[in-house]
Amino acid sequence: DAGVTQSPTHLIKTRGQQVTLRCSPKSGHDTVSWYQQALGQGPQFIFQYYEEEERQRGNFPDRFSGHQFPNYSSELNVNALLLGDSALYLCASSLGSWETQYFGPGTRLLVL
Amino acid sequence: QKEVEQNSGPLSVPEGAIASLNCTYSDRVSQSFFWYRQYSGKSPELIMSIYSNGDKEDGRFTAQLNKASQYVSLLIRASQPSDSATYLCALYSGNTPLVFGKGTRLSVIA
Repeated sequence: DAGVTQSPTHLIKTRGQQVTLRCSPKSGHDTVSWYQQALGQGPQFIFQYYEEEERQRGNFPDRFSGHQFPNYSSELNVNALLLGDSALYLCASSLGSWETQYFGPGTRLLVL
Repeated sequence: QKEVEQNSGPLSVPEGAIASLNCTYSDRVSQSFFWYRQYSGKSPELIMSIYSNGDKEDGRFTAQLNKASQYVSLLIRASQPSDSATYLCALYSGNTPLVFGKGTRLSVIA
């Protein structure tokens, strides 16, 4: 049973650049949620995708956008990167919106 | 604004002892509660979920929920050095996103 996968594992970008992170959900799951986790903090909800639509969004600027594909995989895009965007980006999948979520290994983004 | 409060620790316990991790929350309508374990540099791993008042046991782990006191805890029996990690409390409240606490760092001393 394939778990949640994410790519890449690590990424280094400079301020002002754009980045795309990818996530494939656990087999059988249809919902993908994205989180940002800064050092020493709990994960903060960015947004959730279900049926290829953004279902709910957290308190993140429009620079953060996403997409879900027909196979339920998802992308997170961040434009005009800021130093403060440096964090661990986590993807979690679930069967349904408010069901138990399982996390992927994360993508560690460093913005210089 | 829903809030989940956890003592950041570190909580240090000797090997073989019981580790008790606590979490309080502000929203009375919170319905589903989760404990995740996160090793340094890794992603959160689900340990337990609990939905009803009382205790739920799974191996060495016991989750306890008291909705009247807005309190959820995780007990780890026979603690092992491999249990050393950050433990995150999270909850759902209706149709709202999963809200996490900042986590409690546990250190099990051999």
